[in-house]
Amino acid sequence: GAVVSQHPSWVICKSGTSVKIECRSLDFQATTMFWYRQFPKQSLMLMATSNEGSKATYEQGVEKDKFLINHASLTLSTLTVTSAHPEDSSFYICSARPPGDSSPLHFGNGTRLTVT
Amino acid sequence: GQNIDQPTEMTATEGAIVQINCTYQTSGFNGLFWYQQHAGEAPTFLSYNVLDGLEEKGRFSSFLSRSKGYSYLLLKELQMKDSASYLCAVRDSDYKLSFGAGTTVTVRA
Repeated sequence: GAVVSQHPSWVICKSGTSVKIECRSLDFQATTMFWYRQFPKQSLMLMATSNEGSKATYEQGVEKDKFLINHASLTLSTLTVTSAHPEDSSFYICSARPPGDSSPLHFGNGTRLTVT
Repeated sequence: GQNIDQPTEMTATEGAIVQINCTYQTSGFNGLFWYQQHAGEAPTFLSYNVLDGLEEKGRFSSFLSRSKGYSYLLLKELQMKDSASYLCAVRDSDYKLSFGAGTTVTVRA
């Protein structure tokens, strides 16, 4: 149980274009999902908390107009990287937590974004 | 905020035991998690501690001391497939998870 699906697994795009990444909780409902970013050989950095039916909460230093988050249903959150630049190239990982205080975060398989 | 420290690298021999320490300073503690991450893959959940003491799950055990802001992950009977990065993560009262930089464990034959 507690499967999180992320799509696409990898994407290559040109500078200036936008890329949408989907995150789905397949067997549980998630009112909250989290988006992380990871550079090579570094740890995961929380970008934002996605809240179903309301605005996302962004961490300090993360541009909300550049990283658009939409949590339209209890099983789907999307991250759109707008006007992508080479420095946005990274590994983006979403996560969600099943109900229950002791439930751990479960991660999607991640999306490797390369901006050329 | 969270300040989480763990060693950068550790090397051990197949069949041996390795202990990965993690210290943290937090502005609201709601559990400590250990994740395993292989290169290029997403993290997978290993263990969870919210109360002081030892949690054992097969070859992996995790210990927590909240008063000391300290945890360790113990890996027994090391196998080659255990070569990976091990991430210590602390959850705050808002259920946000913050990660340490990770410890790369290399298992040698």
